[in-house]
Amino acid sequence: GNSVTQMEGPVTLSEEAFLTINCTYTATGYPSLFWYVQYPGEGLQLLLKATKADDKGSNKGFEATYRKETTSFHLEKGSVQVSDSAVYFCALRDNYGQNFVFGPGTRLSVLP
Amino acid sequence: NAGVTQTPKFQVLKTGQSMTLQCAQDMNHEYMSWYRQDPGMGLRLIHYSVGAGITDQGEVPNGYNVSRSTTEDFPLRLLSAAPSQTSVYFCASSRDDDTGELFFGEGSRLTVL
Repeated sequence: GNSVTQMEGPVTLSEEAFLTINCTYTATGYPSLFWYVQYPGEGLQLLLKATKADDKGSNKGFEATYRKETTSFHLEKGSVQVSDSAVYFCALRDNYGQNFVFGPGTRLSVLP
Repeated sequence: NAGVTQTPKFQVLKTGQSMTLQCAQDMNHEYMSWYRQDPGMGLRLIHYSVGAGITDQGEVPNGYNVSRSTTEDFPLRLLSAAPSQTSVYFCASSRDDDTGELFFGEGSRLTVL
């Protein structure tokens, strides 16, 4: 079946540090890939997405590139801020079914 | 811009009680779903629906019922609450195609004593 694997953390960084959160997936066909962010006490919000190989999703300084050859969708940001502290979820939606599969989430803490 | 609306936000139940978590969306999405989020477990799919009158089970359906009489509403029913159902519940909706993202409600925190 489909699955998503991501580093579970927690990840602790200093402000302005470079961020990478790894995400790899297993899926049949050509899934769409997503990163969601969950701030404390809130629901999940879409951060970015990519719907086909080599697409790059970007938003709020975050980027991720859909790499079919390595089945990966790693999240990166060049300079994190304290306000980026949250839990980040990698997810896929395959093109055979309707459902989404989520990774376990990575908690990021950014210290001033 | 209401999006996905869940009620209640907080609820405390005693073991054996029943209740319904309400979910409504105003985006005309065909796909709706319920997840539970537990520490260390990520998000687990309970039930989902691809349109009015159609529902199906997800990964952890036991103890929960759903119905979809309209496109807008997708209530989740706990028939006889158990402490294992203490969790945060999220309703989410999406366009009915394989590139559409999920839109989440703010969550409902349920405690079963």
